[in-house]
Amino acid sequence: LAKTTQPISMDSYEGQEVNITCSHNNIATNDYITWYQQFPSQGPRFIIQGYKTKVTNEVASLFIPADRKSSTLSLPRVSLSDTAVYYCLVGDADQAGTALIFGKGTTLSVSS
Amino acid sequence: DAGVTQSPTHLIKTRGQQVTLRCSPKSGHDTVSWYQQALGQGPQFIFQYYEEEERQRGNFPDRFSGHQFPNYSSELNVNALLLGDSALYLCASSLGQSSYNSPLLFGFGTRLTVT
Repeated sequence: LAKTTQPISMDSYEGQEVNITCSHNNIATNDYITWYQQFPSQGPRFIIQGYKTKVTNEVASLFIPADRKSSTLSLPRVSLSDTAVYYCLVGDADQAGTALIFGKGTTLSVSS
Repeated sequence: DAGVTQSPTHLIKTRGQQVTLRCSPKSGHDTVSWYQQALGQGPQFIFQYYEEEERQRGNFPDRFSGHQFPNYSSELNVNALLLGDSALYLCASSLGQSSYNSPLLFGFGTRLTVT
């Protein structure tokens, strides 16, 4: 599975849009991109996943360019409660039993 | 309510002891994965259980073992505890082995401290 690279930390203010970019240069044809959010002393929580182009749900959007070598998680109008660690992961959509491998993630700090 | 229940929430053990952690997956989920998360690090994959068998294993020694029961619940056992085993142990459930079709649902974890 492709290794991912994302910024260690980001700072933002309430009400701003936050974009976290993840690099996955060696992504394979069958790989998909998924993002998880984690608050202290809790397990990660699934945010969004996609294979190509743009995916949007009630909490975030995921932008994936045509070459799929990177992806951007977009959080609209963040609030203090969005302060958390965000993980970008690549998984194999076709192969059962392929474990998701977490990196160190991006620590997002939202201030008032 | 996370849907995935782990017990106990906190545990303190002494070096050399053995520990058993328990996980009940979300109703309807049949696959359980275990992760270890040290302070300041991302979760590290330990192993995954499906149909009562270990299907995939991460880079963890044999001191880490597990079991899945017919009702899909699971246990993680760690023998001969080391100080470095102190961590948050996370259980995640899903339907089927592919997290593409069923994203992992994590519990709140068990905080293990080894002294």
